[in-house]
Amino acid sequence: AQKITQTQPGMFVQEKEAVTLDCTYDTSDPSYGLFWYKQPSSGEMIFLIYQGSYDQQNATEGRYSLNFQKARKSANLVISASQLGDSAMYFCAMREGNTNAGKSTFGDGTTLTVKP
Amino acid sequence: DVKVTQSSRYLVKRTGEKVFLECVQDMDHENMFWYRQDPGLGLRLIYFSYDVKMKEKGDIPEGYSVSREKKERFSLILESASTNQTSMYLCASSLHREADTQYFGPGTRLTVL
Repeated sequence: AQKITQTQPGMFVQEKEAVTLDCTYDTSDPSYGLFWYKQPSSGEMIFLIYQGSYDQQNATEGRYSLNFQKARKSANLVISASQLGDSAMYFCAMREGNTNAGKSTFGDGTTLTVKP
Repeated sequence: DVKVTQSSRYLVKRTGEKVFLECVQDMDHENMFWYRQDPGLGLRLIYFSYDVKMKEKGDIPEGYSVSREKKERFSLILESASTNQTSMYLCASSLHREADTQYFGPGTRLTVL
């Protein structure tokens, strides 16, 4: 079974609107971390936001927030007030447990296009 | 700011050639990673290292080897390149064993003819 599932290969959003990128995960480990990365067309992966499995509150970083629903095993990324520069590929990733040297599993990604 | 650099952005090699991809990080990170990225397959971990001279296989190590002689440098080696190794290769590092956030280099797009 895939550990990270991103069901939206592509998404479109109008500039200045909010958009939600879906991510579901599968793990039996009680300790895990969830990440979102952005990959612009230049290719470099950029860390956006992190949510730990024991965190009580949803993570927020500027216009990015992570809608963490533990029981449903979902960790959706919400981008508020979309900008043209948000057009990129977005990856959800998970690190299980406290070992594995920070090794993470990545989803297949969602391509977001922001329309002017 | 963390800086992860990769030796080449684009590389073209022939089948059977030995290929070295170099990655350097300047923030004294303990962990370093090599991924390949292919359309529809996301990022797949090839190898990672959590200390000098230490390495562990990732999900797809076949056809690859790695070397970490110095903390800041992690090399990916294709002993005999094949066309199915044409891909984007991404290097990443993270601070220490318990740290989570990985910082990525710009990637190397390798084409094997």
